[in-house]
Amino acid sequence: AQKITQTQPGMFVQEKEAVTLDCTYDTSDQSYGLFWYKQPSSGEMIFLIYQGSYDEQNATEGRYSLNFQKARKSANLVISASQLGDSAMYFCAMREAQTGANNLFFGTGTRLTVIP
Amino acid sequence: EAGVVQSPRYKIIEKKQPVAFWCNPISGHNTLYWYLQNLGQGPELLIRYENEEAVDDSQLPKDRFSAERLKGVDSTLKIQPAELGDSAVYLCASSLDRGGVKTQYFGPGTRLLVL
Repeated sequence: AQKITQTQPGMFVQEKEAVTLDCTYDTSDQSYGLFWYKQPSSGEMIFLIYQGSYDEQNATEGRYSLNFQKARKSANLVISASQLGDSAMYFCAMREAQTGANNLFFGTGTRLTVIP
Repeated sequence: EAGVVQSPRYKIIEKKQPVAFWCNPISGHNTLYWYLQNLGQGPELLIRYENEEAVDDSQLPKDRFSAERLKGVDSTLKIQPAELGDSAVYLCASSLDRGGVKTQYFGPGTRLLVL
């Protein structure tokens, strides 16, 4: 079974609007971490935001926030006030503590296009 | 602070030829990762080093792939011989695994095309 599922291959958003990128995960572990990365056309994976499974509050980093719904096993990324530079691939990833390692499992990504 | 450095950025080779990729992690990061990213997919782990020790190489195709991390800093990933299906982006990442979030930081990747 896929550990990370991103069901939106592509999304469009108008500049200055907010957009939500979906991510659901599958784990039996009680302790895990969820990450979002941005990958522009240049290829580099840029870390955006992190949410720990025991964090009670949703993580926020500037214009990025993570809508963490533990019971539904979802960790959606919300980008507010979209900018043209936000156009990129976005990947959700999970780290499980039970493996004892820091290995990340990635989803297939969502391509976001910001329309001027 | 300098990020993860990878070279070359692009490589085009003919099948059956050898190829090597180099990675310099963020200074002080003890853990280094090599990922393979196929077109339209997320990265998949090939090998993870903690200092100079390869602690997880279960996904590395050992018949043609090899890696080393001499002195626990720089790392080299080699393919010999390359096959058409090896065309992909090879990403290197590093993290400081001494408590905390242990965020992985990625380099720009090497885009390999095998003809």
